[in-house]
Amino acid sequence: SQQGEEDPQALSIQEGENATMNCSYKTSINNLQWYRQNSGRGLVHLILIRSNEREKHSGRLRVTLDTSKKSSSLLITASRAADTASYFCVYAGNQFYFGTGTSLTVIP
Amino acid sequence: DAGVIQSPRHEVTEMGQEVTLRCKPISGHDYLFWYRQTMMRGLELLIYFNNNVPIDDSGMPEDRFSAKMPNASFSTLKIQPSEPRDSAVYFCASRPTGQMNTEAFFGQGTRLTVV
Repeated sequence: SQQGEEDPQALSIQEGENATMNCSYKTSINNLQWYRQNSGRGLVHLILIRSNEREKHSGRLRVTLDTSKKSSSLLITASRAADTASYFCVYAGNQFYFGTGTSLTVIP
Repeated sequence: DAGVIQSPRHEVTEMGQEVTLRCKPISGHDYLFWYRQTMMRGLELLIYFNNNVPIDDSGMPEDRFSAKMPNASFSTLKIQPSEPRDSAVYFCASRPTGQMNTEAFFGQGTRLTVV
């Protein structure tokens, strides 16, 4: 299976705290992307980091990429209750392979 | 653009029946993907097309599953005969061609229940 793995599988934090999720993947990549899925809904693209980049920011999101370790992390700063969702890393060649996902719960 | 459109949103069918899921990708997107999401297996890539041609169908679970893309604006995923273990949410996604560093756009999914 080409499916990557994320940890933790589940994360529960208080509003205002930071949340960090990690992703490990298996193949060489052109880029790595993070998506969010609210319960029972479709997937929404959050951020993309190219294979030649090491860090990228978008609002409260910070993504790092270490291609030598085939790993990435997503940091959400100053979390809000609305951030409660599942987060997936997606690594892409031609096809898109999803990680197993991290379920984030932000407690108000 | 209205985004990737999937139909139906929900489907309940009896075991043994044929099920057809439909997808309309975003205009101009030449890659189309079908995914299945279950609690046990997460998001699995079933098949993807490029310019209407199936490129990799290694994720299709068995011969009961088939997918077609007769033109650039329409794709179907068919299950015949359906079984209870096919119950899942099926997502379709598309992305532009020739641009490796772009996101995929997902439909809202079809929730299939086979009883």
